Amino acid sequence: SQQGEEDPQALSIQEGENATMNCSYKTSINNLQWYRQNSGRGLVHLILIRSNEREKHSGRLRVTLDTSKKSSSLLITASRAADTASYFCATDAGGGSYIPTFGRGTSLIVHP
Amino acid sequence: NAGVTQTPKFQVLKTGQSMTLQCAQDMNHNSMYWYRQDPGMGLRLIYYSASEGTTDKGEVPNGYNVSRLNKREFSLRLESAAPSQTSVYFCASSPTGQDYGYTFGSGTRLTVV
Repeated sequence: SQQGEEDPQALSIQEGENATMNCSYKTSINNLQWYRQNSGRGLVHLILIRSNEREKHSGRLRVTLDTSKKSSSLLITASRAADTASYFCATDAGGGSYIPTFGRGTSLIVHP
Repeated sequence: NAGVTQTPKFQVLKTGQSMTLQCAQDMNHNSMYWYRQDPGMGLRLIYYSASEGTTDKGEVPNGYNVSRLNKREFSLRLESAAPSQTSVYFCASSPTGQDYGYTFGSGTRLTVV
């Protein structure tokens, strides 16, 4: 079973635009992570946000977490063609469980 | 480069054959994981090893066995491959604790015919 579900499934934008993708989950968590996967490659860890944090930044990435709504968003500002990839959120099951469950991902295409 | 190394990168098996997927990490991580990725399904956890000497089942362990050979190496074995095991397999590792992301290998693309 998958804890987190990303939305939208696919997103197509022009270079320079912002890209926003969302993740919803079902049960309380300890933390939420976002990963990127380029075609044919392994996943790359982007950001981890703890359940007691509301926002986190890393370069052009901004992640928010709303535990009351059980949702998170990943914003990529000023997108580049190199940002074309699939993006996955991963959530644990809370309590003593820290092993993340991955969603199906959002496929982002950034057109030059 | 430091990271997680998986071998082989590609493999074709006939139904009923066996094989072992190898994974090694050089980051001194305690925990290691095996996932499979199928189209439209995201990643699903097969087995994990929280520390050297321990292994536990994940979401989809049937048809697989694992061995944590030492702190660096965690192998996944298919004893009798089935077409349903056609997938991309990823190994990952992480330090102990809740505040760390995973480092993934580049994957093994397995086809069972």
